[in-house]
Order: sequence, then C-alpha cells, then structure tokens
Amino acid sequence: GAGVSQSPSNKVTEKGKDVELRCDPISGHTALYWYRQSLGQGLEFLIYFQGNSAPDKSGLPSDRFSAERTGGSVSTLTIQRTQQEDSAVYLCASSLHGGLAGGSGNTIYFGEGSWLTVV
Amino acid sequence: DQQVKQNSPSLSVQEGRISILNCDYTNSMFDYFLWYKKYPAEGPTFLISISSIKDKNEDGRFTVFLNKSAKHLSLHIVPSQPGDSAVYFCAAYKPGNMLTFGGGTRLMVKP
Repeated sequence: GAGVSQSPSNKVTEKGKDVELRCDPISGHTALYWYRQSLGQGLEFLIYFQGNSAPDKSGLPSDRFSAERTGGSVSTLTIQRTQQEDSAVYLCASSLHGGLAGGSGNTIYFGEGSWLTVV
Repeated sequence: DQQVKQNSPSLSVQEGRISILNCDYTNSMFDYFLWYKKYPAEGPTFLISISSIKDKNEDGRFTVFLNKSAKHLSLHIVPSQPGDSAVYFCAAYKPGNMLTFGGGTRLMVKP
C-alpha cells in the first residue's frame, strides 16, 4: 500500500480481555517497528522486526505483550489480559532497510495508530 | 535514563514569527537526528533530519541546527503558520539501535 496501515483505528476493551492490533507496512519495507504513546508521554519503543524475526524485544513492557510478523509483511501486536495502564496509542512504523533503524536517510514512516482504551 | 530530552512541553508563537524547538541528548554515539511532527489522531510524520557530520540542514521554512559539542539540536520554523501547530518529536539514532525519541513539544501558532 501507499502508507503504513493499522487496524483497528479505535478499540475499547474490557480489562482482562485480549487485544490484537494489526499493522500492514509499506510494501517492500523489511523493517517494522511498534511504538506506544500513552497520554501525555513521548513515544516508547516496543519491538522491532527485521523480516520475520525480532532482534530487539527490549521495549515490551511485560510478558502480556507479544508480537509476530509473517511473510515479512503484516505484523500483529497482541496484548493479553489487558490492564487500564495499557490504554495508549499503538503506532506501527516501517522502513526500507533493516538494522539501520532510521539512520542515514533510512526514514521511518509511521501509521496513524491504533487507539486502545481499556475500561 | 532519558537519552533524548525536550525540556519544553509546550511553545506558543505568533503567526509569522520564528518557532524554535529544542532538543538535548546525552549519548555521544548518536550520529543521526530527526524531527517528526504529529497532529492529533494521526501518526508522526517525518519532517527533517541531520547527520552528525553537518551542523545545519534546511528545507523550506524548516531548518535544523546541530551543536555536537553541546549535544543540542534545534528546529527553526520561519515564518510560523497556524498549520504548524502540532507536537514535534526529536529523535536520535545510533548504529545498531532503534530511534530514541524525546517527549515532544506542543507548538501552538496563534493567528
């Protein structure tokens, strides 16, 4: 597609339920990133994929969070047993090259985000 | 440990004047810096970048200045327009790592 596509754009879920967020990166981009922005906070890195593998999972806040990427394209971020503090905008981004993470002209392009509210 | 800091959470500027957004970093290994702009309910969009081998990069109304010795960069917008009102994120990159973002500065340009 022309840009990074995320779904759902908005999700309201009950505390304790599982949630899946989907990201469709720009076609041909090998690197995919998940970030989170909580209310009033900056962007928080969650996980990075190079192809289908995730060399950096350091940002995942707890073991309730997991992500996978299949076919070097679509990625799914899953949050199990959601808590109210999980409420945030979850942003997916992609870049052409892997491993350089935005440096030296390898710009990262963001989707519009999935707004998650846990009630 | 916040390696990229934007100490001003908000900035208000009159239309037509210059907007200066500041960013400080602590890690001398960062070698590429970017600014992203974010409107409400949208993802951040890339605005302008600068490599550590330069001290200035200009693109239209937007100029980014880098002072490596001070570990400081700034984004200048001149002249500022109401449509520039958004949250601006500074981001820094070091080889082999992810982008590290600052907390953002909300710019409000008043007509």
